[in-house]
Amino acid sequence: DTAVSQTPKYLVTQMGNDKSIKCEQNLGHDTMYWYKQDSKKFLKIMFSYNNKELIINETVPNRFSPKSPDKAHLNLHINSLELGDSAVYFCASSQDLVSGALGLDTQYFGPGTRLTVL
Amino acid sequence: GQNIDQPTEMTATEGAIVQINCTYQTSGFNGLFWYQQHAGEAPTFLSYNVLDGLEEKGRFSSFLSRSKGYSYLLLKELQMKDSASYLCAASDSNYQLIWGAGTKLIIKP
Repeated sequence: DTAVSQTPKYLVTQMGNDKSIKCEQNLGHDTMYWYKQDSKKFLKIMFSYNNKELIINETVPNRFSPKSPDKAHLNLHINSLELGDSAVYFCASSQDLVSGALGLDTQYFGPGTRLTVL
Repeated sequence: GQNIDQPTEMTATEGAIVQINCTYQTSGFNGLFWYQQHAGEAPTFLSYNVLDGLEEKGRFSSFLSRSKGYSYLLLKELQMKDSASYLCAASDSNYQLIWGAGTKLIIKP
Protein backbone atom coordinates (compact mmCIF):
# COMPACT_ATOMS: atom_id res chain seq x y z
CA ASP A 1 0.00 0.00 0.00
CA THR A 2 1.31 3.43 -0.91
CA ALA A 3 1.60 5.59 2.19
CA VAL A 4 1.45 8.99 0.47
CA SER A 5 0.13 9.13 -3.06
CA GLN A 6 -0.15 12.00 -5.52
CA THR A 7 -1.86 12.38 -8.85
CA PRO A 8 -0.93 13.10 -11.51
CA LYS A 9 2.75 12.16 -11.62
CA TYR A 10 3.34 14.34 -14.66
CA LEU A 11 1.43 17.43 -15.67
CA VAL A 12 2.15 19.44 -18.81
CA THR A 13 0.00 22.48 -19.44
CA GLN A 14 -0.12 25.91 -21.06
CA MET A 15 0.44 29.22 -19.36
CA GLY A 16 -2.74 30.70 -17.98
CA ASN A 17 -4.46 27.39 -17.32
CA ASP A 18 -5.78 26.24 -13.95
CA LYS A 19 -4.75 22.84 -12.64
CA SER A 20 -5.02 20.72 -9.50
CA ILE A 21 -2.77 18.15 -7.88
CA LYS A 22 -4.26 15.65 -5.46
CA CYS A 23 -2.62 14.07 -2.44
CA GLU A 24 -3.80 11.33 -0.13
CA GLN A 25 -2.14 9.66 2.84
CA ASN A 26 -3.27 6.43 4.46
CA LEU A 27 -1.00 6.67 7.49
CA GLY A 28 -3.53 8.25 9.81
CA HIS A 29 -1.33 11.34 10.13
CA ASP A 30 -2.65 14.67 11.33
CA THR A 31 -0.30 16.94 9.38
CA MET A 32 0.18 17.27 5.64
CA TYR A 33 2.49 19.51 3.62
CA TRP A 34 3.06 20.79 0.13
CA TYR A 35 6.63 21.42 -0.99
CA LYS A 36 7.99 22.86 -4.22
CA GLN A 37 11.33 21.60 -5.53
CA ASP A 38 12.70 23.80 -8.27
CA SER A 39 15.37 23.11 -10.87
CA LYS A 40 18.08 23.95 -8.33
CA LYS A 41 16.68 21.20 -6.11
CA PHE A 42 15.73 23.42 -3.19
CA LEU A 43 12.79 22.00 -1.29
CA LYS A 44 10.61 24.87 -0.10
CA ILE A 45 7.63 24.48 2.15
CA MET A 46 4.52 26.03 0.69
CA PHE A 47 1.73 24.98 3.02
CA SER A 48 1.17 22.86 6.05
CA TYR A 49 -2.18 21.63 7.33
CA ASN A 50 -2.96 20.07 10.67
CA ASN A 51 -6.31 18.32 11.00
CA LYS A 52 -7.64 20.22 8.00
CA GLU A 53 -6.52 23.58 9.32
CA LEU A 54 -3.84 25.72 7.73
CA ILE A 55 -0.90 26.20 10.09
CA ILE A 56 1.96 27.25 7.81
CA ASN A 57 1.51 29.41 4.76
CA GLU A 58 4.78 30.56 3.34
CA THR A 59 5.04 33.42 0.93
CA VAL A 60 3.49 31.89 -2.13
CA PRO A 61 1.33 33.67 -4.70
CA ASN A 62 -2.36 33.52 -3.91
CA ARG A 63 -2.78 31.72 -7.23
CA PHE A 64 -1.92 28.65 -5.14
CA SER A 65 -4.77 27.47 -2.99
CA PRO A 66 -4.64 24.33 -0.86
CA LYS A 67 -7.80 22.49 0.04
CA SER A 68 -8.13 19.84 2.72
CA PRO A 69 -11.51 18.07 2.58
CA ASP A 70 -10.40 15.75 5.39
CA LYS A 71 -7.18 15.07 7.21
CA ALA A 72 -6.19 12.32 4.79
CA HIS A 73 -6.31 14.60 1.75
CA LEU A 74 -4.57 17.83 0.83
CA ASN A 75 -5.08 19.05 -2.71
CA LEU A 76 -3.28 21.92 -4.39
CA HIS A 77 -5.06 24.09 -6.90
CA ILE A 78 -3.08 26.49 -9.06
CA ASN A 79 -4.74 29.30 -11.03
CA SER A 80 -3.32 31.15 -14.00
CA LEU A 81 -0.22 29.02 -14.31
CA GLU A 82 3.06 30.78 -15.10
CA LEU A 83 6.33 29.52 -16.55
CA GLY A 84 8.00 29.90 -13.16
CA ASP A 85 5.59 27.42 -11.63
CA SER A 86 7.37 24.60 -13.44
CA ALA A 87 8.83 22.40 -10.73
CA VAL A 88 8.30 19.15 -8.90
CA TYR A 89 5.63 19.42 -6.21
CA PHE A 90 5.85 17.02 -3.29
CA CYS A 91 3.14 16.23 -0.83
CA ALA A 92 4.25 14.92 2.58
CA SER A 93 2.71 13.94 5.87
CA SER A 94 3.79 13.45 9.47
CA GLN A 95 2.05 12.26 12.63
CA ASP A 96 1.73 15.88 13.72
CA LEU A 97 3.66 19.10 13.19
CA VAL A 98 5.89 18.77 16.23
CA SER A 99 6.70 15.07 15.83
CA GLY A 100 7.68 15.59 12.23
CA ALA A 101 10.08 18.35 13.19
CA LEU A 102 11.55 16.75 16.29
CA GLY A 103 12.58 13.42 14.87
CA LEU A 104 9.90 11.62 16.86
CA ASP A 105 8.48 10.76 13.50
CA THR A 106 9.58 11.63 10.04
CA GLN A 107 7.93 13.32 7.14
CA TYR A 108 6.79 10.82 4.54
CA PHE A 109 6.89 12.12 1.01
CA GLY A 110 4.72 11.32 -1.93
CA PRO A 111 6.30 10.45 -5.30
CA GLY A 112 6.06 14.02 -6.56
CA THR A 113 4.24 15.69 -9.43
CA ARG A 114 6.42 17.12 -12.17
CA LEU A 115 4.63 20.21 -13.47
CA THR A 116 5.78 21.70 -16.76
CA VAL A 117 4.23 24.96 -17.89
CA LEU A 118 4.73 25.78 -21.57
CA GLY B 1 17.75 34.90 7.73
CA GLN B 2 17.60 31.15 7.66
CA ASN B 3 20.13 29.30 5.58
CA ILE B 4 21.41 25.81 4.92
CA ASP B 5 24.67 25.27 3.05
CA GLN B 6 25.99 22.05 1.63
CA PRO B 7 28.22 21.23 -1.35
CA THR B 8 26.47 20.92 -4.67
CA GLU B 9 28.19 17.76 -5.82
CA MET B 10 30.70 15.18 -4.61
CA THR B 11 32.33 12.19 -6.26
CA ALA B 12 33.59 9.08 -4.49
CA THR B 13 34.69 5.55 -5.33
CA GLU B 14 32.78 2.37 -4.63
CA GLY B 15 33.90 0.86 -1.34
CA ALA B 16 35.31 4.13 -0.03
CA ILE B 17 34.08 6.56 2.65
CA VAL B 18 32.60 9.99 2.00
CA GLN B 19 31.61 12.82 4.32
CA ILE B 20 28.94 15.33 3.29
CA ASN B 21 29.00 18.54 5.30
CA CYS B 22 26.16 20.87 6.14
CA THR B 23 26.12 24.21 7.95
CA TYR B 24 22.93 25.83 9.11
CA GLN B 25 21.58 29.09 10.46
CA THR B 26 18.03 29.05 11.72
CA SER B 27 15.74 30.97 14.03
CA GLY B 28 15.79 28.51 16.88
CA PHE B 29 16.84 24.93 16.42
CA ASN B 30 14.99 21.70 17.01
CA GLY B 31 17.23 19.23 15.26
CA LEU B 32 18.93 18.34 12.01
CA PHE B 33 17.66 15.85 9.46
CA TRP B 34 19.33 14.05 6.59
CA TYR B 35 17.25 12.71 3.75
CA GLN B 36 18.25 10.72 0.68
CA GLN B 37 16.69 11.46 -2.69
CA HIS B 38 17.32 9.31 -5.74
CA ALA B 39 16.83 10.99 -9.10
CA GLY B 40 13.17 11.37 -9.94
CA GLU B 41 12.05 10.02 -6.58
CA ALA B 42 10.83 11.39 -3.27
CA PRO B 43 13.15 12.15 -0.36
CA THR B 44 13.39 9.41 2.26
CA PHE B 45 14.48 9.85 5.86
CA LEU B 46 18.00 8.82 6.86
CA SER B 47 18.77 10.36 10.24
CA TYR B 48 17.92 12.93 12.90
CA ASN B 49 20.28 14.60 15.40
CA VAL B 50 19.32 17.02 18.13
CA LEU B 51 22.17 16.45 20.60
CA ASP B 52 25.85 16.95 19.88
CA GLY B 53 27.70 13.88 18.77
CA LEU B 54 27.69 11.03 16.36
CA GLU B 55 24.73 8.76 15.64
CA GLU B 56 25.59 5.56 13.84
CA LYS B 57 23.12 3.57 11.80
CA GLY B 58 24.70 0.81 9.78
CA ARG B 59 26.87 2.19 6.99
CA PHE B 60 25.53 5.70 7.59
CA SER B 61 26.45 7.98 10.50
CA SER B 62 25.44 11.54 11.22
CA PHE B 63 27.21 14.07 13.40
CA LEU B 64 26.01 17.32 14.94
CA SER B 65 27.73 20.26 16.59
CA ARG B 66 25.11 22.74 17.79
CA SER B 67 27.66 25.33 18.86
CA LYS B 68 29.15 25.38 15.36
CA GLY B 69 25.89 25.04 13.45
CA TYR B 70 27.43 22.09 11.66
CA SER B 71 26.52 18.56 10.73
CA TYR B 72 27.90 15.88 8.50
CA LEU B 73 26.67 12.64 7.02
CA LEU B 74 29.27 9.89 6.78
CA LEU B 75 28.73 7.05 4.33
CA LYS B 76 31.00 4.01 4.59
CA GLU B 77 31.60 1.09 2.23
CA LEU B 78 30.00 3.02 -0.58
CA GLN B 79 27.81 1.11 -2.98
CA MET B 80 26.65 2.15 -6.43
CA LYS B 81 23.09 2.40 -5.09
CA ASP B 82 24.24 5.21 -2.78
CA SER B 83 24.40 7.50 -5.82
CA ALA B 84 21.74 10.06 -4.94
CA SER B 85 21.24 13.53 -3.57
CA TYR B 86 21.56 13.98 0.17
CA LEU B 87 19.43 16.73 1.67
CA CYS B 88 20.21 18.43 4.94
CA ALA B 89 17.27 20.06 6.76
CA ALA B 90 17.13 21.95 10.05
CA SER B 91 14.03 22.24 12.19
CA ASP B 92 13.47 25.80 13.39
CA SER B 93 11.63 27.26 16.37
CA ASN B 94 8.30 26.96 14.52
CA TYR B 95 8.93 23.26 13.88
CA GLN B 96 9.36 24.05 10.22
CA LEU B 97 12.02 22.23 8.22
CA ILE B 98 14.44 24.48 6.37
CA TRP B 99 16.04 22.54 3.55
CA GLY B 100 19.37 22.73 1.81
CA ALA B 101 19.65 22.29 -1.95
CA GLY B 102 21.13 18.85 -1.53
CA THR B 103 24.48 17.32 -2.36
CA LYS B 104 24.55 15.14 -5.44
CA LEU B 105 26.78 12.16 -4.69
CA ILE B 106 28.28 10.36 -7.67
CA ILE B 107 29.78 6.93 -7.03
CA LYS B 108 32.35 5.61 -9.48
CA PRO B 109 33.35 1.96 -9.79
